Amino acid sequence: KNQVEQSPQSLIILEGKNCTLQCNYTVSPFSNLRWYKQDTGRGPVSLTIMTFSENTKSNGRYTATLDADTKQSSLHITASQLSDSASYICVVIPIYGNNRLAFGKGNQVVVIP
Amino acid sequence: NAGVTQTPKFRVLKTGQSMTLLCAQDMNHEYMYWYRQDPGMGLRLIHYSVGEGTTAKGEVPDGYNVSRLKKQNFLLGLESAAPSQTSVYFCAIRRTPGQGSSEQFFGPGTRLTVL
Repeated sequence: KNQVEQSPQSLIILEGKNCTLQCNYTVSPFSNLRWYKQDTGRGPVSLTIMTFSENTKSNGRYTATLDADTKQSSLHITASQLSDSASYICVVIPIYGNNRLAFGKGNQVVVIP
Repeated sequence: NAGVTQTPKFRVLKTGQSMTLLCAQDMNHEYMYWYRQDPGMGLRLIHYSVGEGTTAKGEVPDGYNVSRLKKQNFLLGLESAAPSQTSVYFCAIRRTPGQGSSEQFFGPGTRLTVL
């Protein structure tokens, strides 16, 4: 069973609208949780990082939240732009064996004009 | 994908052929990783290295070999390619734990098709 589950698998949103992506994980204990953005045909690029004690982290129009009690994280995109079309990957880094990251399958976001 | 390059970008192989993928970095990071990414699946770790001359198995190492003869290069080899190895391969690098950010920086990927 995958240790990181993301939803929705894919979504289409209108330019200028907001959206929220969900990540549920079972990895425990973990040191931090990252959200990566992967453009088509490119490698993933880190957007945000949160330690287990942090609740929220922003990077421009991207805001990530973390609830370590319920083992849930979300990524909120505000005022979406066409360049936000990408796959967003939730990654959990375990404390033990921190070379073996737990990757979600990604949320595929398509922004249309 | 600053500082991490992968060669080649695309490759088509026939079943049974061999090839080597090269990952090169100019960020002087100790840790290097090889992943594969398949449709509908998360990135999976093939092999990794925590320093020059070291390698270790990841989640899906079968059918692959690696070498880290120089700190800046990490090679991924397929001795006898199989169609199941059709995938996009990503290299990533990271600082030694405790020496700064734990972020993994990814290369641009190599798209491999095995016929």
